[in-house]
Order: sequence, then structure tokens, then C-alpha cells
Amino acid sequence: QKEVEQNSGPLSVPEGAIASLNCTYSDRVSQSFFWYRQYSGKSPELIMSIYSNGDKEDGRFTAQLNKASQYVSLLIRDSQPSDSATYLCAVSSGGGADGLTFGKGTHLIIQP
Amino acid sequence: GAVVSQHPSWVICKSGTSVKIECRSLDFQATTMFWYRQFPKQSLMLMATSNEGSKATYEQGVEKDKFLINHASLTLSTLTVTSAHPEDSSFYICSAKFSPLGEKLFFGSGTQLSVL
Repeated sequence: QKEVEQNSGPLSVPEGAIASLNCTYSDRVSQSFFWYRQYSGKSPELIMSIYSNGDKEDGRFTAQLNKASQYVSLLIRDSQPSDSATYLCAVSSGGGADGLTFGKGTHLIIQP
Repeated sequence: GAVVSQHPSWVICKSGTSVKIECRSLDFQATTMFWYRQFPKQSLMLMATSNEGSKATYEQGVEKDKFLINHASLTLSTLTVTSAHPEDSSFYICSAKFSPLGEKLFFGSGTQLSVL
């Protein structure tokens, strides 16, 4: 059974600091990895996608993937109070027609 | 692009009644849509994969006779919760893949179902 593990938090980070969110997955054949942000009562919003080992940067966000360790992370630089949300890690095995497997999410709190 | 519209946003119903939730891809064709359910402080759980023109594929433990899925066109999938009970109260979210952007899922706004 595919599993995606995240620390549920809450993770509290001062405004302006770097927030580091981590995720591990069990299915070695996983090929696509995503980070979604979800505000309370809202549906998830795609933040980052990453498909190959290494780092991928987009603005204040950097996703890191290490397939050998089955580990994916998200760094948020210059954290803002508006970044406070639950961050969901999601994994796909590829093939085009399968849904994503989500972790339970990490609740991030940015303290002003 | 890649907008997925879902409605209603919330619905309150009496136990034993049926509720239909609609999911539309507004600016692209989605041969496959996915239905997720999320309980408070829990992750999204995939319920079923909706395939245009064919039967839905349900995840283990999801009752196909209770959660009816119809994907009659390339832009519309519906989920009907039949004979709803209080334990069916949850946040239901549909999603679709926009193929030019690979494996990324785009989500509808979700439907909060409360069964009294």
C-alpha cells in the first residue's frame, strides 16, 4: 500500500525565516511529486511539482527530491503570515490515469 | 487555464436523502477526473477515478452503490451520495488532470456535506 508520511505539526516559524517541510514516501516507483497548500475549509492549491532528483526553485519556494532516500521537501524562504496553512505532500506513480496519494499534511504557522 | 468548477459549495441534508455534486472542467477536456474525501484534520483520501464513457474505478473500502459516479461528457463528472447518513458528512473534492501540464491535479473548490 502506498504511503506518504508527513509530520503533522504544528510547525511554528518566525516571519522572515525559512520554513522547512519534509515528506517521505513508500512506493519506490513513484515518479511525480507535488506540494499543495490548503487553507482551512478550502481545496488544495498546487505550489510546486518536481520530477527529478535535486532542487527546483520557484520564487520563495524550493522543492528538493531524493529518490534514493524516498524523501521530498519544501523550503519557504522569507516566510510570511499568509504562508500559514496546511501543506500537503502528494505522490504519483505516473501512468496518466491514477490519482495522487496524499500525506496528512503539515500545519505551518508563521508568527508575525 | 485548467479551471475546475465544483458545486454546490456546501449542502445540508436530512439522513436518508441523496445529494448530487457536480464537477466541471471549464476550459479543458478531462477524460479522467478524481473524487477525494477529506475528514477534519485528515488528508485527502481518493474515493474513485471517474472515466469518461465508462464505469468509475473505486478505491478499496468505498461502496460503489452508495457513491454513484457518472462521467457522461469530457467536461462533467457527478458524484451522488445515496441514502446519506451522518457519517458521510465530509469535505468532497473533485479534481482533474490538465494533460499539457503533465501529472498535475487541479482541484475544484470542494463541497462541504453535512448530513443531519
